[in-house]
Amino acid sequence: AQTVTQSQPEMSVQEAETVTLSCTYDTSESNYYLFWYKQPPSRQMILVIRQEAYKQQNATENRFSVNFQKAAKSFSLKISDSQLGDTAMYFCAFIGAGGTSYGKLTFGQGTILTVHP
Amino acid sequence: EPEVTQTPSHQVTQMGQEVILRCVPISNHLYFYWYRQILGQKVEFLVSFYNNEISEKSEIFDDQFSVERPDGSNFTLKIRSTKLEDSAMYFCASSEWTGELFFGEGSRLTVL
Repeated sequence: AQTVTQSQPEMSVQEAETVTLSCTYDTSESNYYLFWYKQPPSRQMILVIRQEAYKQQNATENRFSVNFQKAAKSFSLKISDSQLGDTAMYFCAFIGAGGTSYGKLTFGQGTILTVHP
Repeated sequence: EPEVTQTPSHQVTQMGQEVILRCVPISNHLYFYWYRQILGQKVEFLVSFYNNEISEKSEIFDDQFSVERPDGSNFTLKIRSTKLEDSAMYFCASSEWTGELFFGEGSRLTVL
């Protein structure tokens, strides 16, 4: 079974600064996908960024980038130039790519990020 | 941009009552899911649905739960006899493949 751990229940950052959210996971699968989802107070979960485990290059999406360390099973999210609209709960999630996962995402506990003006 | 829509946004019900939560997935998606988030806890997988049948379900998804795609557009979650511990936010999601899921805004269920 997979597990995903986010060890930071809450983080805060000043507007325009950079913040890194941590995530570790455990799996015996060799191929999988990792995701960061954002859940603002409006409740809807929005995909922020995705990483395929077979790709060595870290994914980037505008101000969002990841540091994917496969051997260490670590998948951190870096938010550069933080904006007030980044305030949200952030979930790290894992899904196996073995064809039998059927969309069964395993989520971490979440990190509440607050961006201060 | 296409999105997953859910109704109702909030439902309050008495313990023992039946509840149906409705979802309209993105139209060209083939895989459908329900997830649950109890207040203050992590999001948990309930069930996945493909080709008009359940693909996988978690241990949470017991006989009190059922899913249906009655008319080719809606995807429903029914809880036959609600319990206090069913109070949670229920998220519907859909995807073209089993990787990138698109979530709805959620339906908050409060069981009294």
